[in-house]
Amino acid sequence: DIVMTQTPLSSPVTLGQPASISCRSSQSLVHSDGNTYLSWLQQRPGQPPRLLIYKISNRFSGVPDRFSGSGAGTDFTLKISRVEAEDVGVYYCMQATQFPHTFGPGTKVDIK
Amino acid sequence: EVQLVESGGGLVQPGRSLRLSCTASGFTFGDYAMSWFRQAPGKGLEWVGFIRSKAYGGTTEYAASVKGRFTISRDDSKSIAYLQMNSLKTEDTAVYYCTRITFDPWGQGTLVTVSS
Repeated sequence: DIVMTQTPLSSPVTLGQPASISCRSSQSLVHSDGNTYLSWLQQRPGQPPRLLIYKISNRFSGVPDRFSGSGAGTDFTLKISRVEAEDVGVYYCMQATQFPHTFGPGTKVDIK
Repeated sequence: EVQLVESGGGLVQPGRSLRLSCTASGFTFGDYAMSWFRQAPGKGLEWVGFIRSKAYGGTTEYAASVKGRFTISRDDSKSIAYLQMNSLKTEDTAVYYCTRITFDPWGQGTLVTVSS
């Protein structure tokens, strides 16, 4: 199975300041079809997960442009350019390149 | 509006069975593979299993932790995906979510509690 790791596991951020989350996979996430199925999901307190980013860097419909994804191969990053109060929650990276699909442990973002 | 609604959760004793439903609306259900995920209380997300669309054979994949106990099926005429859970264990206690292969949207989930 592909193991996903995230750093940091906790990220207290000042409103209006940037935040960055790193995600690393134990093997390349490049699929045989040439795509890299790395997604980022946000889970606000008491809510179901919500898709933010798919295939490394594609922002899903309705996701604010302060969220961006980057990376390749085994190293990926989610950046929030200016954290807002509504961004509080847990962020997960997930790979769907190979079964079983696997998640990182989650990064808790809260306000200082 | 694309919507997924999970149902069927509840309290069940270890060793018993439960069937969850995922009712879809707002899109052509039969065109999409569907996945089930779960989240134990206070824990992270875990993939449970996957069913392909009929166009891709309708075949399934499962996590090792549920393989042989859980079965995913689909009724495209009703736009419903099912998760049949047998031989339930206390460690299966979780909120269960379904989603499309595109990982959007996610339903509100249904809580399954396995306890004597």
